Amino acid sequence: DVKVTQSSRYLVKRTGEKVFLECVQDMDHENMFWYRQDPGLGLRLIYFSYDVKMKEKGDIPEGYSVSREKKERFSLILESASTNQTSMYLCASSSRDKAPVNYGYTFGSGTRLTVV
Amino acid sequence: AQTVTQSQPEMSVQEAETVTLSCTYDTSENNYYLFWYKQPPSRQMILVIRQEAYKQQNATENRFSVNFQKAAKSFSLKISDSQLGDTAMYFCAFMKPAGLNTGTASKLTFGTGTRLQVTL
Repeated sequence: DVKVTQSSRYLVKRTGEKVFLECVQDMDHENMFWYRQDPGLGLRLIYFSYDVKMKEKGDIPEGYSVSREKKERFSLILESASTNQTSMYLCASSSRDKAPVNYGYTFGSGTRLTVV
Repeated sequence: AQTVTQSQPEMSVQEAETVTLSCTYDTSENNYYLFWYKQPPSRQMILVIRQEAYKQQNATENRFSVNFQKAAKSFSLKISDSQLGDTAMYFCAFMKPAGLNTGTASKLTFGTGTRLQVTL
């Protein structure tokens, strides 16, 4: 019963390409997040959204943008992919009403992006 | 800004033994929450245990327990009777809760992770 789905498990793109990473959740969560995971650096927050069309920058937003046109879908966009964006990208969601402090986040299985 | 530090990049433990993973954090907040997440090779992040800062009692979930020392800002995870299925990356995480009407979300700040290998 997959609840947060990331469209691709592996992705290879060329430098300079515009890349879209898609995330869909079926739990009617208000909040959605994009993290980047790198060895030795853990998970770092790129962007998050707390409502449709609402977004906030995380800790490392440079080189990324996001889109949330529907509640269930949150897209991460690499406007012009670069090799230093090669990484694992994790999407997550949480409920505003059900206290994320009790339930934490629900994560997707990640997209491993390689930019060549 | 909050920071979370995990000083053990890798650890190894034999099956059935006990292991403790360390985590320290830095915050000026008084109301916050701490979590341990597990990421097995499947990459799926799984919530292991959580602790409310206002509770003195340490959280326990079956074989997993924490040692929460608020004054020292320490939050270690103890795994008892280790099993092969415990092999994974373990991340410590901090959350300052956002109010319901603040127009933002509660965000998790993660440490760098500890890779745990359980051996026969």
